[in-house]
Amino acid sequence: KNEVEQSPQNLTAQEGEFITINCSYSVGISALHWLQQHPGGGIVSLFMLSSGKKKHGRLIATINIQEKHSSLHITASHPRDSAVYICAVRSWGEGANSKLTFGKGITLSVRP
Amino acid sequence: DAGVTQSPTHLIKTRGQQVTLRCSPKSGHDTVSWYQQALGQGPQFIFQYYEEEERQRGNFPDRFSGHQFPNYSSELNVNALLLGDSALYLCASSLTIGLRTDTQYFGPGTRLTVL
Repeated sequence: KNEVEQSPQNLTAQEGEFITINCSYSVGISALHWLQQHPGGGIVSLFMLSSGKKKHGRLIATINIQEKHSSLHITASHPRDSAVYICAVRSWGEGANSKLTFGKGITLSVRP
Repeated sequence: DAGVTQSPTHLIKTRGQQVTLRCSPKSGHDTVSWYQQALGQGPQFIFQYYEEEERQRGNFPDRFSGHQFPNYSSELNVNALLLGDSALYLCASSLTIGLRTDTQYFGPGTRLTVL
């Protein structure tokens, strides 16, 4: 079982829809990252969370430490949101400078 | 302010050859991490460099080695290339503050194809 699981695997939405992407992890973590990767490879860090909720524009990220679960919400989705969304965790026990463990990512396609 | 840069963008090699990938961190960052991303998979951690030393390493064979220079830039070297080494190689930089590493910023990656 992977340490970081994301669901759904692939997602297609209509422009304007509210989108939720989920991430579950099986280890204790010090932080969770949501990343966006566009075709061609470049990765952009969207959020880093250790508790609660963060909002940036149309993006909202939440984390429930007890349930080992995080969600990324996109409100009023737009075709430019089409990308791969990756969840990554930094686990405890390896020091604060530990590596990130990534989920496989979810491919989101938003149709106009 | 330049972000993380990587070179080359694309590279084609044959089995058995050696390759060197380069990364320049974001201005002000002192820590560089390298990741391998196979097609359709999430990135996998290779190693992290800080103060010109390998600080942490993932489950990659010794064929994968690296270096960090005094200006914090870094190289990833892969010897005896295998077909399975074909992947996108991502570099991420961050700032180490005491015992904590701040948010990682990713470069655009180098696409390596091994024939």
